[in-house]
Amino acid sequence: GAGVSQSPSNKVTEKGKDVELRCDPISGHTALYWYRQRLGQGLEFLIYFQGNSAPDKSGLPSDRFSAERTGESVSTLTIQRTQQEDSAVYLCASSLVGGGTNEQFFGPGTRLTVL
Amino acid sequence: QKEVEQNSGPLSVPEGAIASLNCTYSDRVSQSFFWYRQYSGKSPELIMSIYSNGDKEDGRFTAQLNKASQYVSLLIRDSQPSDSATYLCAVPTGGFKTIFGAGTRLFVKA
Repeated sequence: GAGVSQSPSNKVTEKGKDVELRCDPISGHTALYWYRQRLGQGLEFLIYFQGNSAPDKSGLPSDRFSAERTGESVSTLTIQRTQQEDSAVYLCASSLVGGGTNEQFFGPGTRLTVL
Repeated sequence: QKEVEQNSGPLSVPEGAIASLNCTYSDRVSQSFFWYRQYSGKSPELIMSIYSNGDKEDGRFTAQLNKASQYVSLLIRDSQPSDSATYLCAVPTGGFKTIFGAGTRLFVKA
């Protein structure tokens, strides 16, 4: 595709429910990143994929958060038993090759609201 | 803890002036540096990358890097109201993680 796409664009859920967020990277980009951005805050790194492996999961806030990626394609970020503090915009980015030295291109984000 | 520091602002400049945005970082081994622009309610958009000491110019934007001082800046010449946004400094660490600063809010007054 022309750019990184994410779905849904908005998600409202009740505390305790599970949610799944989807990211479709730019075609040919091998690296994929997930970030969280709380209102008025900077970007918080969550996880990085090179292909379908995740060499760096250090940013996942808790064991309620998990992510997977199919090959060099779609990635899903799952949040189980959501809490109100999970409310944020979840951003996905992709880059042509892995390693943080490469330019990242962001999707439009998913705004998650936990009631 | 590797850090990237930016003044949160807001930085207010009149239209046509030069806006100067600054960023310091703690990881001495960092080799590449990025500036992203983020409009309110939108996702970050890459506007500049710089890898070597000195200046890099792209249109009205100039990035400046001083690795000895661990300092990177972004200059916006002939600032326009459409430049009003939050500017994020991003510094990859030695691994796969990129550390983003909290951003500087820029207002350009018409």
